[in-house]
Amino acid sequence: KQEVTQIPAALSVPEGENLVLNCSFTDSAIYNLQWFRQDPGKGLTSLLLIQSSQREQTSGRLNASLDKSSGRSTLYIAASQPGDSATYLCAVMDSNYQLIWGAGTKLIIKP
Amino acid sequence: NAGVTQTPKFRILKIGQSMTLQCTQDMNHNYMYWYRQDPGMGLKLIYYSVGAGITDKGEVPNGYNVSRSTTEDFPLRLELAAPSQTSVYFCASSSPGQGATNEKLFFGSGTQLSVL
Repeated sequence: KQEVTQIPAALSVPEGENLVLNCSFTDSAIYNLQWFRQDPGKGLTSLLLIQSSQREQTSGRLNASLDKSSGRSTLYIAASQPGDSATYLCAVMDSNYQLIWGAGTKLIIKP
Repeated sequence: NAGVTQTPKFRILKIGQSMTLQCTQDMNHNYMYWYRQDPGMGLKLIYYSVGAGITDKGEVPNGYNVSRSTTEDFPLRLELAAPSQTSVYFCASSSPGQGATNEKLFFGSGTQLSVL
């Protein structure tokens, strides 16, 4: 059974730092991996989607990588800003086309 | 740009009461989903629909029912509320659908439900 883990559960860093969020999954048979952002009282917003054949995707200051063989993905955030404070979730689409979700990493960027 | 709209945002129910969580989307998406999110846990799929008149169970369907009479609306019904159904509920939609691997999900803002 596919399981998705995000460690740490919470992270606090000073503004301006580059940071990496981690996502690991147990079964490499995935179609894609997606990163989402969740703000309090709001829904989830899709950030990046990496197909299983791809190694990375970039959007602005965000870069997501995928290593299927090791069951890992990272979300790199460059030059962090207070507005980046949110919970970041990753999800993998498994062989049944179902999305399996991690519990998220709560990120706090200190001004 | 309404996107996916959920109502209500908050609700408190007594054990045994019933309610319907409303979800509507204006993007003409075929696929719609209901998820629940418990504290410290990932999202769990309750039900999903691939189009009007078609629904299917997800990972945690017990205690819930859905209907899909139109493309736009996908209400979630709780018939006999139980404390275990205390959670945050999210509705989402996508196109062209779960069978395609390049889709993006669009989420509503969620309903925080407490059953006491």
